[in-house]
Amino acid sequence: EPEVTQTPSHQVTQMGQEVILRCVPISNHLYFYWYRQILGQKVEFLVSFYNNEISEKSEIFDDQFSVERPDGSNFTLKIRSTKLEDSAMYFCASGTSGMGEQFFGPGTRLTVL
Amino acid sequence: GESVGLHLPTLSVQEGDNSIINCAYSNSASDYFIWYKQESGKGPQFIIDIRSNMDKRQGQRVTVLLNKTVKHLSLQIAATQPGDSAVYFCAENFGGSNYKLTFGKGTLLTVNP
Repeated sequence: EPEVTQTPSHQVTQMGQEVILRCVPISNHLYFYWYRQILGQKVEFLVSFYNNEISEKSEIFDDQFSVERPDGSNFTLKIRSTKLEDSAMYFCASGTSGMGEQFFGPGTRLTVL
Repeated sequence: GESVGLHLPTLSVQEGDNSIINCAYSNSASDYFIWYKQESGKGPQFIIDIRSNMDKRQGQRVTVLLNKTVKHLSLQIAATQPGDSAVYFCAENFGGSNYKLTFGKGTLLTVNP
């Protein structure tokens, strides 16, 4: 069964450093998403991406964040200058339509020291 | 505002019992709802969805009920098994936004053998 994959599974970085989180969505999906989950809290929407552009973004997704689909398979989330409060689990998701099931990857745990 | 924190609502049941997990959603314009299961250290896993033109939908061992009058969603799990132990989230898709899911706080289900 096809699944969303994410790398790395755990990323440790120093405050102020740039990180890139990588995702490979399911191959025939057209809608891509990033969510995050701070430990013990609910899953929060960051950004959605369709047709090579951002469709919607939350207030969390400020100028320090960017997304890219550099080729036909990868979808990346970049945090330009990490802050302590960026420490969280980051989930990539993909779907075939804008309103419908979103398939989540296993997540990348980001730890900012 | 909504409170967040480490304390999830919990439900503890005996193996073989039926479980009912409840969720109050926030936006009367939401027209699509999903229940996700999240096991420790993993991404959310789709269980069942329902659109707002329905009030009940059944899957294998699971049933989702939607009450739009009081903005309430429930997930019923029949013959609960130890493998059902996880955090369960409801998520809504706002009618005006086709691109993001808004998650609830989650309920921790523990199934005792």
